[in-house]
Amino acid sequence: AQSVAQPEDQVNVAEGNPLTVKCTYSVSGNPYLFWYVQYPNRGLQFLLKYITGDNLVKGSYGFEAEFNKSQTSFHLKKPSALVSDSALYFCAVRDPSPGTALIFGKGTTLSVSS
Amino acid sequence: DSGVTQTPKHLITATGQRVTLRCSPRSGDLSVYWYQQSLDQGLQFLIQYYNGEERAKGNILERFSAQQFPDLHSELNLSSLELGDSALYFCASSARPRGQETQYFGPGTRLLVL
Repeated sequence: AQSVAQPEDQVNVAEGNPLTVKCTYSVSGNPYLFWYVQYPNRGLQFLLKYITGDNLVKGSYGFEAEFNKSQTSFHLKKPSALVSDSALYFCAVRDPSPGTALIFGKGTTLSVSS
Repeated sequence: DSGVTQTPKHLITATGQRVTLRCSPRSGDLSVYWYQQSLDQGLQFLIQYYNGEERAKGNILERFSAQQFPDLHSELNLSSLELGDSALYFCASSARPRGQETQYFGPGTRLLVL
C-alpha cells in the first residue's frame, strides 16, 4: 500500500535562511510525487510535482524539491525563506497504477520568523 | 484562484440531516475528486469521477454518495450526518484521471454538524 510520511509537524526558520520540509514515501513502482501548500482558510495550492526525469524539480514561488529514489524521499526546499511562506505544506504520492488515489501526508506547518 | 469553484463555503446543520455540496471543475477538466480534511484524519480521498463515471473510491462512508453530471459539475451528498462528519470538504479537478495529472483544488466547503 502506498503511504507518505512527513516526519516534522512543524518547521521553524528565520527569514532569509534556507528551508527544508521533509517527505518520505512508500509505493510500489515509480511514484508520482506532489507538493501542495495550504494557507489559512484557503484551499490547497499546487507547488510542484515529480513524474520522471530530472531529480530536481522547480516549482512555484521559488520552491524546489529533490527526488531521491534510494532514500524514497522528496524533500521540499527553498534557498531563502520569506515570512509569507508561512503555511501548511502537504506532500502527496500517487501510484501510477490506474484507479489509484492521491495519498497525502499529515502536513508540516512552516513558520518563518522575521 | 485555481478555477475550481465550490458552494456553499460554509454549512451548519444538525445531526441526522442531509446536505449537498457542489463543485464545478476547471474549464476543460473531465475528472473530479472529493476529499475530506479533518484534524484527526488529515486529508483523505473520498471518491473520483471521470466524465460522469465513478473511477475510484477511497474512504467514503456508505452514508455519503456523489455523482458527476453531464455538464461535469459534481455533487457530494452527505446523509444521516454525525458530529464526526464536521470537516472541510474539498473538490479537485484534473484534465484526465491519469496519475501524473495535477489536481487543482477548490476553496472547500466547511461543514459543521451540531
